[in-house]
Amino acid sequence: NAGVTQTPKFQVLKTGQSMTLQCAQDMNHNSMYWYRQDPGMGLRLIYYSASEGTTDKGEVPNGYNVSRLNKREFSLRLESAAPSQTSVYFCASSAAGALGAFFGQGTRLTVV
Amino acid sequence: QKEVEQNSGPLSVPEGAIASLNCTYSDRGSQSFFWYRQYSGKSPELIMFIYSNGDKEDGRFTAQLNKASQYVSLLIRDSQPSDSATYLCAVTEGTGTASKLTFGTGTRLQVTL
Repeated sequence: NAGVTQTPKFQVLKTGQSMTLQCAQDMNHNSMYWYRQDPGMGLRLIYYSASEGTTDKGEVPNGYNVSRLNKREFSLRLESAAPSQTSVYFCASSAAGALGAFFGQGTRLTVV
Repeated sequence: QKEVEQNSGPLSVPEGAIASLNCTYSDRGSQSFFWYRQYSGKSPELIMFIYSNGDKEDGRFTAQLNKASQYVSLLIRDSQPSDSATYLCAVTEGTGTASKLTFGTGTRLQVTL
């Protein structure tokens, strides 16, 4: 009963490097989300996908791209990492907005 | 910009007391309201949701919603040290799959022995 699984759990990047954060859910949820969490800033939405094949920008999309590969998987890509992208990244999924979202365990990313 | 406001705390309550956590939101179109608990270094965990004005109880937790005042609260009765965590308020403007969750910055609760 995995729920939402994110990989990797920790990552250190150099400025300018690229990487992809992976997320998969096994709850047959339609909606998936990527948030970042910074001290004092709460959870801020980066991108979300209401259904397979659709993606939309959230509050802080600059510097990120996403792919909804299928109903289960939603990846987040940093093309050229910057120190300002140092954060904890959470993936979440939801059956519908009224039912709330369930979170993965997070990825702690440090860009040096 | 839709906003969800919470006092960052810390809110300190003695063991066995009632903890009261508050949240206000700016979008009158908000329809669904959630409380998440987040332990340090862990991911947010959904503990309560409420859609209608009034109170909703689940064990030691009671969520209260007042749409006219744009206010939602969480009461924790008989607070335990294990309740020490950050509590995040979240709202959505709709109920369908395209609804986005907007979070407050959270209130840190400390339950003291």
